Amino acid sequence: EVQLVESGGELVQPGGSLRLSCATSGFSFSNYDMTWVRQAPGKGLEWVSAISRDGGSTNYADSVKGRFTISRDNSKNTLYLQMNSLRAEDTALYYCARDWTGPEYWGQGTLVTVSS
Amino acid sequence: DVVVTQSPLSLPVTLGQPASISCRSSQSLVYSNGNTYLSWFQQRPGQSPRRLIYKVSNRDSGVPDRFSGSGSGTDFTLKISRVEAEDVGVYYCMQGTHWPRTFGQGTKVDIK
Repeated sequence: EVQLVESGGELVQPGGSLRLSCATSGFSFSNYDMTWVRQAPGKGLEWVSAISRDGGSTNYADSVKGRFTISRDNSKNTLYLQMNSLRAEDTALYYCARDWTGPEYWGQGTLVTVSS
Repeated sequence: DVVVTQSPLSLPVTLGQPASISCRSSQSLVYSNGNTYLSWFQQRPGQSPRRLIYKVSNRDSGVPDRFSGSGSGTDFTLKISRVEAEDVGVYYCMQGTHWPRTFGQGTKVDIK
């Protein structure tokens, strides 16, 4: 069974940093491109970032470019999102998902709240 | 960026009746390999998104056959042939052809 479990979300002050993790199981992680998507409270889905299966190619939404860094550790079957210079508008439920052309599997999300 | 526009944004439907959601993109979604990466997702209240349709018209495993996707180029449609109570939720289209990827605004489907 494919599983994606996000963690690392918490309350952080504006300007702070967080690193989200997505632990995966049930599939060959190194064979799949991966994606982060977020959803602000009561709002729609917003694509955030994606990374190729070998980590050699990354892409970002303009809203996070230069502040967020996506990475992966194929030996640990884990996806990461390093989030720096956090703003109130980054408050959202962050989902990791498998694939980057139209994600088939999604985690349950981890909540990031940016507030003083 | 490719803008993806859904309509309507709210869709009250009668049980057993059909429903249709439109998704239009500001650029063609045909990729250089000939594939068109347009997907549809369902998000039920309190749940993670679930993919229903990929590459325009391919239904995911376990998705009821009352859901169908169609379209080409910049114009796409999700149809529910007969709406059931479990179909209540928000539906999103997403383009996976161009960077950055983009979602439509979402269409809220509820029962009249």
